Amino acid sequence: GENVEQHPSTLSVQEGDSAVIKCTYSDSASNYFPWYKQELGKGPQLIIDIRSNVGEKKDQRIAVTLNKTAKHFSLHITETQPEDSAVYFCAASIGANQAGTALIFGKGTTLSVSS
Amino acid sequence: EPEVTQTPSHQVTQMGQEVILRCVPISNHLYFYWYRQILGQKVEFLVSFYNNEISEKSEIFDDQFSVERPDGSNFTLKIRSTKLEDSAMYFCASRDPRYQETQYFGPGTRLLVL
Repeated sequence: GENVEQHPSTLSVQEGDSAVIKCTYSDSASNYFPWYKQELGKGPQLIIDIRSNVGEKKDQRIAVTLNKTAKHFSLHITETQPEDSAVYFCAASIGANQAGTALIFGKGTTLSVSS
Repeated sequence: EPEVTQTPSHQVTQMGQEVILRCVPISNHLYFYWYRQILGQKVEFLVSFYNNEISEKSEIFDDQFSVERPDGSNFTLKIRSTKLEDSAMYFCASRDPRYQETQYFGPGTRLLVL
């Protein structure tokens, strides 16, 4: 089955710096890769996702890149702000056209942005 | 904006007792999921549900677990005889078939088994 590895487990940056979180996956059939942000005591909130037919996707300060050959994908946050501080999870699934489509999550990255 | 809701937010129970966790998925979503997160660990898939039957389940989802959609709005997870290791945050998620893979998560129910 699918296995998702995520690094680093913790990341501390200064406000305004960029943050990069990396994930690798094992199942070449995976074709959908979402990123979730989880704040303390809340459920995961989708912040961006990418499908395997796309190499990069950007939404304001957040971007995700995907390298299907190497089976890794990364989250890039630019101009970080204190409110970006949270736990970030990457996930992978075999995606579309399947009713099940379980998301397999990485272990999470705790991002701390200090002002 | 529509949201997935879950009740209760917290549940404390004695080992061996049955618990039912409730979820109201986003209206018009057709695919439903339960995940759990043990404190400090990653989110783990339990089960997916579509067209009134289980589509997929993980090895965690053993005979002690069951899911049901008792009416047109609720989606429930029952743990028949709770164990200490069932203590976790349980998340419900739902998916809109028009948007393929995107799953929206509820705020979770924190279950503590004593």
